Amino acid sequence: QVQLVQSGAEVRKPGSSVKVSCKASGGTFSNYAFSWVRQAPGQGLEWMGRLIPMLGQPNYAQRFQGRVTITADKFTNTVYMDLSSLRSEDTAVYYCARGPRGTYGGNYYMDVWGNGTTVTVSS
Amino acid sequence: QSVLTQPPSASGTPGQRVTISCSGGNSNIGSNTVNWYQQLPGTAPRLLIYSNNQRPSGVPDRFSGSKSGTSASLAISGLLSEDESDYYCATWDASLSGYVFGPGTRVTVL
Repeated sequence: QVQLVQSGAEVRKPGSSVKVSCKASGGTFSNYAFSWVRQAPGQGLEWMGRLIPMLGQPNYAQRFQGRVTITADKFTNTVYMDLSSLRSEDTAVYYCARGPRGTYGGNYYMDVWGNGTTVTVSS
Repeated sequence: QSVLTQPPSASGTPGQRVTISCSGGNSNIGSNTVNWYQQLPGTAPRLLIYSNNQRPSGVPDRFSGSKSGTSASLAISGLLSEDESDYYCATWDASLSGYVFGPGTRVTVL
């Protein structure tokens, strides 16, 4: 049974960056699509972007273009999300999630979710 | 501001049937499959329905999904107190080249 285990909570100052990790265990890695989804306090879910390690080319939600970088380490089965130029509005729980193998297009969905990482941005 | 529209809330008494709508456009629901996620307070989202009407293993058949044109809906029949949760519709949007979530619907069991 695949699990996604995320790194622990982070506190950052405005203007800095944060890198959150997500380690996949119990299954293959490279041919799945991994997404990052965030949820600000009291708000809904927001998709930030995704990466298919096998293909290597990420795609990002327009509002995060230029600020987010999603990468993967195929040797450790770990996906990373790096968010820069942090502001208070980036305070949220960040989730990594995986879609089933081969669902890369309009049939994409996420069936395995990580435990979430709380990122707090405060001066 | 999401490109998908959901009612902010829905409610029902135990045993009733509750339906949640999700409205979009041609670039999202109209051309791609719809998925539904359940999120209990303080927990990670859970996939409830995928590909419009498919249930992952472990999801009770009280939950069903449908899609027609640019709209989709989630139905919960035989409502239980444990169904009190937030529900999100989601799909791929070709114009945005990204995955989009609806704003979410909070279901309350009266």
